[in-house]
Amino acid sequence: AQKVTQAQTEISVVEKEDVTLDCVYETRDTTYYLFWYKQPPSGELVFLIRRNSFDEQNEISGRYSWNFQKSTSSFNFTITASQVVDSAVYFCALSSISSGSARQLTFGSGTQLTVLP
Amino acid sequence: KAGVTQTPRYLIKTRGQQVTLSCSPISGHRSVSWYQQTPGQGLQFLFEYFSETQRNKGNFPGRFSGRQFSNSRSEMNVSTLELGDSALYLCASSEEQGARSNEQFFGPGTRLTVL
Repeated sequence: AQKVTQAQTEISVVEKEDVTLDCVYETRDTTYYLFWYKQPPSGELVFLIRRNSFDEQNEISGRYSWNFQKSTSSFNFTITASQVVDSAVYFCALSSISSGSARQLTFGSGTQLTVLP
Repeated sequence: KAGVTQTPRYLIKTRGQQVTLSCSPISGHRSVSWYQQTPGQGLQFLFEYFSETQRNKGNFPGRFSGRQFSNSRSEMNVSTLELGDSALYLCASSEEQGARSNEQFFGPGTRLTVL
């Protein structure tokens, strides 16, 4: 069985602070995919990033960066110089072929990030 | 490209009724998946359709069903509604092949309230 754990239920930071959202996953598969999605109050899930299990290179996109470590089964997400518009619920997700489809996402419970002005 | 669209955005039904939700994927996307989001259970996979065939199904009762049309549009149906079916239903579409085939793009969702 697959599992994604986001231990941080809520995080509150002041604007311009850096913040890291933690994600720990469990899977028996050697080939799998990890994702981060953002859900603003409007409800739509916004795709942020996908990583496959063979690519451990960290990635940076503007103020966003992701740290993928297979040794600790973690895929953490850092927002640098946070802004009020970053306030949202962030979900980490996992998929693999053995779960039935590479498109069947197993989501974590989400982290509510609030950035205060 | 236009994003994933879902209709209606809001729906109120009573117990025992049935409901049909609609999803139009991004142009060119042939895979459509459905998810249910509730405060208690979080985001859970319902099913995936490709080429008018259900390819994968999550752990939901038979009251939840879906279908896909030849233009890749999809509908899901919930029969004999229960209070616990109140949720945000999200549809996602993705390409079938290529480097981005596992990237799913979500619609705004349909908020279903069962009274």
